[in-house]
Amino acid sequence: LAKTTQPISMDSYEGQEVNITCSHNNIATNDYITWYQQFPSQGPRFIIQGYKTKVTNEVASLFIPADRKSSTLSLPRVSLSDTAVYYCLLRGDDKIIFGKGTRLHILP
Amino acid sequence: NAGVTQTPKFQVLKTGQSMTLQCAQDMNHNSMYWYRQDPGMGLRLIYYSASEGTTDKGEVPNGYNVSRLNKREFSLRLESAAPSQTSVYFCASSDGGRGQPQHFGDGTRLSIL
Repeated sequence: LAKTTQPISMDSYEGQEVNITCSHNNIATNDYITWYQQFPSQGPRFIIQGYKTKVTNEVASLFIPADRKSSTLSLPRVSLSDTAVYYCLLRGDDKIIFGKGTRLHILP
Repeated sequence: NAGVTQTPKFQVLKTGQSMTLQCAQDMNHNSMYWYRQDPGMGLRLIYYSASEGTTDKGEVPNGYNVSRLNKREFSLRLESAAPSQTSVYFCASSDGGRGQPQHFGDGTRLSIL
């Protein structure tokens, strides 16, 4: 299964837009790009998923370039409650692999 | 709607003891998963079940067994616990045969002394 690479940690301020980029150079044709959010002492929560171009929901946007070798999760106007670990992963079949994720810290 | 429920939430075992972690989902999902998460690490898949009566090994299956006796429940058993199995265990479910884990429980924190 293809591996993903994302920054270990990021800091931002309340009200800012946060973009977290994930690299997946060996993405397969049938892989979907999926993002999860995890708060301390909780299980991960599904945020968004896409295959190509742009996907938007009430929580975030996901930008995927034409070559699909990377993707960017965009969180608009973050708040302190968005402090969490964000995981980028590829879904090609029933088995998926979580990386170490990006620890996002929102400052007041 | 409870989603995915795991029991117990916390457990301390001695090396060599056995125990079963329970997981139940009330969303009528076909697929269920067991993951472990170690400090500073992402989740690693232990076992996966695509449907009742079927199971498949994940990345780190050694030392574990699973049972999917019905659609709702998926249990994880440690036959002889080892300190290396100290971790947080998450159960998850999804509604498709090719679906990602959509809903996670809140985890079981297991310490093995």
